[in-house]
Amino acid sequence: EDQVTQSPEALRLQEGESSSLNCSYTVSGLRGLFWYRQDPGKGPEFLFTLYSAGEEKEKERLKATLTKKESFLHITAPKPEDSATYLCAVVRGSYIPTFGRGTSLIVHP
Amino acid sequence: GAVVSQHPSRVICKSGTSVKIECRSLDFQATTMFWYRQFPKQSLMLMATSNEGSKATYEQGVEKDKFLINHASLTLSTLTVTSAHPEDSSFYICSASYRQGLSEAFFGQGTRLTVV
Repeated sequence: EDQVTQSPEALRLQEGESSSLNCSYTVSGLRGLFWYRQDPGKGPEFLFTLYSAGEEKEKERLKATLTKKESFLHITAPKPEDSATYLCAVVRGSYIPTFGRGTSLIVHP
Repeated sequence: GAVVSQHPSRVICKSGTSVKIECRSLDFQATTMFWYRQFPKQSLMLMATSNEGSKATYEQGVEKDKFLINHASLTLSTLTVTSAHPEDSSFYICSASYRQGLSEAFFGQGTRLTVV
């Protein structure tokens, strides 16, 4: 069975304090991994797709990386508006995404 | 990014009644739509996958007679919760992909359903 584990469950940072969120997975035949941001009471917002180990993508203060077993979402010098829950999802042969439980990030000013 | 609109955002209904939730892709044709249910501090739980013009594929444990899904066009899918009960209260979210196969999905705003 596909497993997607995100850590930590919750993370509190001071504004400007860089950190990383982890998404580890056990999936055979990974086709892709997605990162989303979800604000309270809203639907997830697409951030990145990663297809193969070694791939990296960046958007503003966020950078996503992928290895054969895990993905990291690096947040550089975060701001309070980066506070949200970050979800990762893996996709394999069936093309149906399996989501992790997410990491709740709070950035204090 | 692509826009998916979901309505209503909130609905309160009486136990035993039915509720319809709409999911529209506004600026692209959605070949595949997904319906999820999300509990507080939990992951997105996939309920069903639907492709335009064909019957939805339900995940194990999801009652297809209770959660009716219709994907009548490339821009509209609906989820009807029939004979709703308080235990059906939850946050329901749809997502849509613009191509079959590996494709990022774009999500609607979600619908908070409360059954009283």
